Amino acid sequence: NAGVTQTPKFQVLKTGQSMTLQCAQDMNHEYMSWYRQDPGMGLRLIHYSVGAGITDQGEVPNGYNVSRSTTEDFPLRLLSAAPSQTSVYFCATRGSGGAGNQPQHFGDGTRLSIL
Amino acid sequence: QKEVEQDPGPLSVPEGAIVSLNCTYSNSAFQYFMWYRQYSRKGPELLMYTYSSGNKEDGRFTAQVDKSSKYISLFIRDSQPSDSATYLCAMSVQGAQKLVFGQGTRLTINP
Repeated sequence: NAGVTQTPKFQVLKTGQSMTLQCAQDMNHEYMSWYRQDPGMGLRLIHYSVGAGITDQGEVPNGYNVSRSTTEDFPLRLLSAAPSQTSVYFCATRGSGGAGNQPQHFGDGTRLSIL
Repeated sequence: QKEVEQDPGPLSVPEGAIVSLNCTYSNSAFQYFMWYRQYSRKGPELLMYTYSSGNKEDGRFTAQVDKSSKYISLFIRDSQPSDSATYLCAMSVQGAQKLVFGQGTRLTINP
């Protein structure tokens, strides 16, 4: 049981390049999300999805695009990379059962550097 | 002012000590409180999950929530070098789609 798998683990881009960060989960969770982690800022929500075909913006969505065509996958696209997008990106999933908010489970991250 | 405040440390204690980690928050609507542990180059790993006020214990870890003071704590008893990591508090409102995180406290347990 792999849980949440993120690829690649590391990536270096030049300003203006585009790329897709992959996230796959095998827990059959409806909810998936992307966070970025920066020093002194904690984790901030970029985009999230409550199910296939449904996505919405989080706290810091500018410069990022997402789509959700299957329950298992939730890719994050950088349309035109900027140095301000240098960060560690985490994908997280959450089950929808129970009476309240379920805790989120995170992948091991993609470390992205924009030159 | 940030919604969730957490002292980033670093905090260094000897092995076997009791560790106290804390977060304060400003949004009284928060009802779900979590502590995550994050090792270097890894993703956050859920340690404790509590709803509303009160205490929750799991082995050497105890989470406390005081909603009247808007203050949450994580206690680690008999701390071990393997507990060395960054500890993140996180919280959410009922039905909310996002977690609000503290900055994280970097903890080192010295043998």
